[in-house]
Amino acid sequence: RKEVEQDPGPFNVPEGATVAFNCTYSNSASQSFFWYRQDCRKEPKLLMSVYSSGNEDGRFTAQLNRASQYISLLIRDSKLSDSATYLCVVNPTGNASKLTFGTGTRLQVTL
Amino acid sequence: DVKVTQSSRYLVKRTGEKVFLECVQDMDHENMFWYRQDPGLGLRLIYFSYDVKMKEKGDIPEGYSVSREKKERFSLILESASTNQTSMYLCASRAAGSTDTQYFGPGTRLTVL
Repeated sequence: RKEVEQDPGPFNVPEGATVAFNCTYSNSASQSFFWYRQDCRKEPKLLMSVYSSGNEDGRFTAQLNRASQYISLLIRDSKLSDSATYLCVVNPTGNASKLTFGTGTRLQVTL
Repeated sequence: DVKVTQSSRYLVKRTGEKVFLECVQDMDHENMFWYRQDPGLGLRLIYFSYDVKMKEKGDIPEGYSVSREKKERFSLILESASTNQTSMYLCASRAAGSTDTQYFGPGTRLTVL
């Protein structure tokens, strides 16, 4: 089983739609969680951290479910500029070492 | 703003050549990382370093080595480049706290002919 699993997509949605991505992780001791965004031929950039109580940043909402070992990202009122690949990222050990990246979910927002 | 820079955006080398990829960060981060990214495989960790002169193997270290002589600089070395090392190489840095995230450089697209 992969440490971090995501549906690769692509998710094709019209502008204004709401779309949600899930990501599952295998290590129940994982400490911190993030969503990154990667545009085509660019480096990944932090979109948002994911907190235990859930958190929101504008149109983006992140949730963590420790019991089921998954995190989610909800995008409301999708914009064309949201088209990108969204990477789920987990710190599996809680120390200052490596993060584990999912392979990403591709989102394409259309007119 | 954290800045991570990589020495080249595009690089073309021949099989058997020695290749150096340089990465510099300006935020005094303890941890630095080298990944390669290939379609369908995502980001794969090659090596990382949590301090000067310290290094640890990642998931795919074969065919690579690294050097960290100064805190701000982390170099990836391909001793004898091969065609299967054609890839996008991404450097990243991160502070020592467990909840801190990683910042990536712009990447180097390496083609080995």
